[in-house]
Amino acid sequence: SQQGEEDPQALSIQEGENATMNCSYKTSINNLQWYRQNSGRGLVHLILIRSNEREKHSGRLRVTLDTSKKSSSLLITASRAADTASYFCAPSGSRLTFGEGTQLTVNP
Amino acid sequence: DAGVIQSPRHEVTEMGQEVTLRCKPISGHDYLFWYRQTMMRGLELLIYFNNNVPIDDSGMPEDRFSAKMPNASFSTLKIQPSEPRDSAVYFCASSLGGLGGTGELFFGEGSRLTVL
Repeated sequence: SQQGEEDPQALSIQEGENATMNCSYKTSINNLQWYRQNSGRGLVHLILIRSNEREKHSGRLRVTLDTSKKSSSLLITASRAADTASYFCAPSGSRLTFGEGTQLTVNP
Repeated sequence: DAGVIQSPRHEVTEMGQEVTLRCKPISGHDYLFWYRQTMMRGLELLIYFNNNVPIDDSGMPEDRFSAKMPNASFSTLKIQPSEPRDSAVYFCASSLGGLGGTGELFFGEGSRLTVL
């Protein structure tokens, strides 16, 4: 199985700033998904990017995918305190597994 | 749809007792996953089913763990006997479509298990 490795492990920013999280993986994929987990809750799907896409937007989220580098990034623009959560990437594969995530803290 | 429903939300039990966690996936979804989350090991995939059939149980830690899916709307994860190291949050998730495709996972709110 393969899982994504998120970087950084932790990120602390001020409200209104942008937050960028990165994901690396090892083998070829059909798509890559990003999830958010608020403390004590289940994961929530944010966005899916297919292997033939380079960039995708959803509201304040922007995801990029570079299959040559086997990496993806998630950008949250104009962050809010409510964006405080852990963020996970999940490359497609035979077993959908998750890394340790990036813990984002947005300070009011 | 109410989403993925898990029960109980919290369970405190003593070592050696049997624990049964339950999950009702979203109607129409053909994949069901059980995950375990701890601070030490993060989010681990334990087992997943496709059309009620277990496909991959390589993540199940040991024989004390078993999972069943008797029908499309119900699954259980059983631990017998339970041990303190089994303390974790157990998540159930369901999806429509395979992992290699575009199957978005929908997670339940989890069952927090504490084994004393």
